[in-house]
Amino acid sequence: DVQMTQSPSNLAASPGESVSINCKASKSISKYLAWYQQKPGKANKLLIYSGSTLQSGTPSRFSGSGSGTDFTLTIRNLEPEDFGLYYCQQHNEYPYTFGAGTKLELK
Amino acid sequence: EVQLQESGPGLVKPSQSLSLTCSVTGYSITSNYWGWIRKFPGNKMEWMGYISYSGSTSYNPSLKSRISITRDTSKNQFFLQLNSVTTEDTATYYCARSRIIRGTGYYFDYWGQGVMVTVSS
Repeated sequence: DVQMTQSPSNLAASPGESVSINCKASKSISKYLAWYQQKPGKANKLLIYSGSTLQSGTPSRFSGSGSGTDFTLTIRNLEPEDFGLYYCQQHNEYPYTFGAGTKLELK
Repeated sequence: EVQLQESGPGLVKPSQSLSLTCSVTGYSITSNYWGWIRKFPGNKMEWMGYISYSGSTSYNPSLKSRISITRDTSKNQFFLQLNSVTTEDTATYYCARSRIIRGTGYYFDYWGQGVMVTVSS
């Protein structure tokens, strides 16, 4: 299975700041990485797939980059609703595997 | 709008079977792929498997001998059965619509809110 290593585990930031979350695959997954946001009591939200393609409805302050084994999710000008748990997931090969999550908290 | 809702018992005894239902509104399960994903205490996420628009299935090898995903197209529902559960199956279980890019794998564009299942005697 492709192992996904996500960092940092925790991140504290203030509204208006920019943050980056990293995801490293144990082997090349081409560009096929998705990012999700998870918040208590809400359905998980797909933000980005194929590394950099914004899902319909994802604000433009979110961006994804990377290919091969190294990927980054960047959130610019943090809004209060951006705080929560973020996961990466490789969708290149079976079985589909997730990172361990990054908790983005309000500083 | 596509909406998914999980339902089922919140407590299952060890060695028994865990059975969950995902009810889908706003989209037919005879299109696309429909899967189950779980999140363990401590936040680890695991893709469990899917059922396709045609009824074919694919499962995570780690679960292959214990898992079954089926569907009822007349009710627009699909189901998860996990046999011989242990305390290590305690998790929040999510159903999700799975999308594929030809030649690669699946990501998940619509999710239910999840149902917590505890395995305990």
